[in-house]
Amino acid sequence: EPEVTQTPSHQVTQMGQEVILRCVPISNHLYFYWYRQILGQKVEFLVSFYNNEISEKSEIFDDQFSVERPDGSNFTLKIRSTKLEDSAMYFCASREGRARGGYTFGSGTRLTVV
Amino acid sequence: QKEVEQNSGPLSVPEGAIASLNCTYSDRGSQSFFWYRQYSGKSPELIMSIYSNGDKEDGRFTAQLNKASQYVSLLIRDSQPSDSATYLCAVNPVRDSSYKLIFGSGTRLLVRP
Repeated sequence: EPEVTQTPSHQVTQMGQEVILRCVPISNHLYFYWYRQILGQKVEFLVSFYNNEISEKSEIFDDQFSVERPDGSNFTLKIRSTKLEDSAMYFCASREGRARGGYTFGSGTRLTVV
Repeated sequence: QKEVEQNSGPLSVPEGAIASLNCTYSDRGSQSFFWYRQYSGKSPELIMSIYSNGDKEDGRFTAQLNKASQYVSLLIRDSQPSDSATYLCAVNPVRDSSYKLIFGSGTRLLVRP
């Protein structure tokens, strides 16, 4: 069964450092997403990406965040200057593009900012 | 503000019983509804999707949708200890071309052996 692959599975970084979280979506999927889940809280939408551009972003996705699809397969989330409150599980997801259909989520990256 | 509400639980049922999980949503025009299962420390896993009023069955799972009442439910028949997890209700808001999902906070289900 096709999978969404995320690396690394766990990253520890110092406050103020830049981190890049990486994802390889399912190959024939057209829509890509980043969500995050702070421990014990809801899964929250960060950003959606379609046709090589951001289609929607949430209030959480401020200027510290950016996304890229540099080579047609990888999909990355960059946090420029991490804060303690950025500590969370970050999930990448993709969907095929049909009007109806659920996502496939990756296994997540646990980001710990110290 | 678009909201998806779930009882946080835990909902405790004995093995073999029916577990009933409920969800309400605020955006009346929402069209797509999903149930995800999330084990502790893992990513959400899609169990069911439903788009029309009524029931949709898949194995031991039945999703029910009532758009007039803005209510979605998930029934798990013959519950097994391996069903113990947090169940997330997710909704795609109306006229949302990005097809993002709004998640509820989840209901924790415990199935007692």
